[in-house]
Amino acid sequence: AQTVTQSQPEMSVQEAETVTLSCTYDTSESDYYLFWYKQPPSRQMILVIRQEAYKQQNATENRFSVNFQKAAKSFSLKISDSQLGDAAMYFCAYRSASQGGSEKLVFGKGTKLTVNP
Amino acid sequence: NAGVTQTPKFRILKIGQSMTLQCTQDMNHNYMYWYRQDPGMGLKLIYYSVGAGITDKGEVPNGYNVSRSTTEDFPLRLELAAPSQTSVYFCASSYPEGEHTQYFGPGTRLTVL
Repeated sequence: AQTVTQSQPEMSVQEAETVTLSCTYDTSESDYYLFWYKQPPSRQMILVIRQEAYKQQNATENRFSVNFQKAAKSFSLKISDSQLGDAAMYFCAYRSASQGGSEKLVFGKGTKLTVNP
Repeated sequence: NAGVTQTPKFRILKIGQSMTLQCTQDMNHNYMYWYRQDPGMGLKLIYYSVGAGITDKGEVPNGYNVSRSTTEDFPLRLELAAPSQTSVYFCASSYPEGEHTQYFGPGTRLTVL
């Protein structure tokens, strides 16, 4: 079974600076998808960024980018120019690309990000 | 599009009571999911459905039941509520192909006393 590990329960960053959140995963599959979701105090789960394992290029969405290291099974999230609105829980998630499966997401335990003004 | 909607937002149950958490999506997604999120944890899959009339168990199905009579609706039934079912429940939906992204509802906070 796949597992996702987020080793940093809490992180903090100064407004306008850069922070990197870590995520590692364990799988025997070669084809899969990885996601970062943001959960603000409202509890809504918001997709931040996604990465297909077959793509070597790291995904980027505005101030958010990932460092995907497939051999190391690592998927870190970098937030540049941090803003107060970035404060939230961040969850890393894995999804198998196997055909006919449930396509369920396997989540890490999350990292709580605080942004200091 | 409203996306994925869930009702109610909050609910307090007494031990042994039953209730149904409602979930509706208007994106014509085939796949729908129910997750629970316990304090300090990520989400765990309770049940999922790959289309109307088809459901299957996830990681933590005990104490729950689901049905999927339409593409839009995927209700979650709690029978004989227990304190261990105190959690936040999320419904999600996705296409089986394409961008593979799951879209989440706003969640239901359930407390069983």
